[in-house]
Amino acid sequence: EIVLTQSPATLSLSPGERATLSCRASRSVSSYLAWYQQKPGQAPRLLIYEASNRATGIPARFSGSGSGTDFTLTISSLEPEDFAVYYCQQRSNWPFTFGPGTKVDIK
Amino acid sequence: EVQLVESGGGLVQPGGSLRLSCAASGFTFSSSAMSWVRQAPGKGLEWVSAISSSGGSTYYADSVKGRFTISRDNSKSTLYLQMNSLRADDTAVYYCAKFKGVNTVTTMDYFDYWGQGTLVTVSS
Repeated sequence: EIVLTQSPATLSLSPGERATLSCRASRSVSSYLAWYQQKPGQAPRLLIYEASNRATGIPARFSGSGSGTDFTLTISSLEPEDFAVYYCQQRSNWPFTFGPGTKVDIK
Repeated sequence: EVQLVESGGGLVQPGGSLRLSCAASGFTFSSSAMSWVRQAPGKGLEWVSAISSSGGSTYYADSVKGRFTISRDNSKSTLYLQMNSLRADDTAVYYCAKFKGVNTVTTMDYFDYWGQGTLVTVSS
C-alpha cells in the first residue's frame, strides 16, 4: 500500500497570504495524485487531479505541482472560504489511499 | 446537476449487518465507475470499495475485504454497499462518490462528485 504523508499538519495563515501544502508518497505515484478540500460538515471537493489539473470550477488561485513522490498544493492568496482541511489522494495503485490531511486555519 | 443521495445508515450492534444505498441522478450512471469512501468521526478519509461501470470489476480495502460487498443496479441508477460482521471501527460517515474518469482508458481515478454521506454507528 502506498502511504501518503502530508505536511504540515496545521498551517496558520491570514487571508491574502500564500499557502503551500506538501504531500509525499512512500513510492512513486507518477502524476497520479489529486487534492481535495473539505469544510466542516461537508463532503470533500475535488480541486486538482493528475497533480496539476484544476477541476471544473476551481479558481485559478489553486495550483498543483510535482511528480514521483513529492507534490505541492499552492493557494496563491487565501480567501476566507479557503480555510479548510486539504487531502491528497493517489490512484497509482490499489488500494487508493488518502493522506492524513492538512488543516489551514486562520491565524 | 449531478446528485448522489446515500441512505441506509444507522445504529447497529457489533457483528450486525447494514446495507447502504446511493441513488444517483444527473449523469449517465451506467457509464460511470463508482466508489464508497468513509470518514470516522474527527478523522481523515479512507477509501473503502470501488466498482466498474458494468459491475464486473470490484475492489476493496483490506480492512473490509470479506465483510463488505459493493454492487450496483444500473437500471435503477443505484449503488449499494452490503456491510456484514460490523465492528466498532467501521463507525464512520460513508460517502458515495463518482469516479471522474480522466479518459476512456482510466475509468477509476479521482472522485469528482460526492454524496452528503450517511452515518453508520456500530455500538452495543
